[in-house]
Amino acid sequence: AQSVAQPEDQVNVAEGNPLTVKCTYSVSGNPYLFWYVQYPNRGLQFLLKYITGDNLVKGSYGFEAEFNKSQTSFHLKKPSALVSDSALYFCAVRDIDTGRRALTFGSGTRLQVQP
Amino acid sequence: SAVISQKPSRDICQRGTSLTIQCQVDSQVTMMFWYRQQPGQSLTLIATANQGSEATYESGFVIDKFPISRPNLTFSTLTVSNMSPEDSSIYLCSDFVASGGAETQYFGPGTRLLVL
Repeated sequence: AQSVAQPEDQVNVAEGNPLTVKCTYSVSGNPYLFWYVQYPNRGLQFLLKYITGDNLVKGSYGFEAEFNKSQTSFHLKKPSALVSDSALYFCAVRDIDTGRRALTFGSGTRLQVQP
Repeated sequence: SAVISQKPSRDICQRGTSLTIQCQVDSQVTMMFWYRQQPGQSLTLIATANQGSEATYESGFVIDKFPISRPNLTFSTLTVSNMSPEDSSIYLCSDFVASGGAETQYFGPGTRLLVL
């Protein structure tokens, strides 16, 4: 079975400071990993993904994430947070060795960026 | 990516009634999924909508409660039947785009359902 853990319900950061939203995963095979963002009253927007190759993945709006196989982590980062980054962030995983196509999501982390 | 639209965007329904949610994708996609997001919760997969055949349901979800249709590669419907307040959720349609190994799921804007 595949699963995702987002250990922080909420992350608070001041505007201009770096931010990190944590994610760890569990799969029996090899993972595809994703980050999505949900703004109030909106659907999920795709931010970035790790499929293979470079462990540092760059995505939309200046976000990046680092895949760490030994720690089974895929933390989302941004060098300088904006107030407009305040939203709900979801990490998701797919075990490519199972043939299951649908993603399994973490519980979500609410990011609050203070001006 | 394929653009996904859903109708209705929101609805308020009485218990015991049914609501059908429509999902339209602007290009043919391999797979479509339906997710539920209960208030303050994460996304839970309801089922995979299979074109031309019965949907594949996840544990805890049954066809009688959530019948799904997918008559072609661009359209699907989810019906929430015999609703109760516990069905109050956001229902999201998702597609699966596989192109050169760059496989990604994209989501529609969601349907916000409140059952009274």
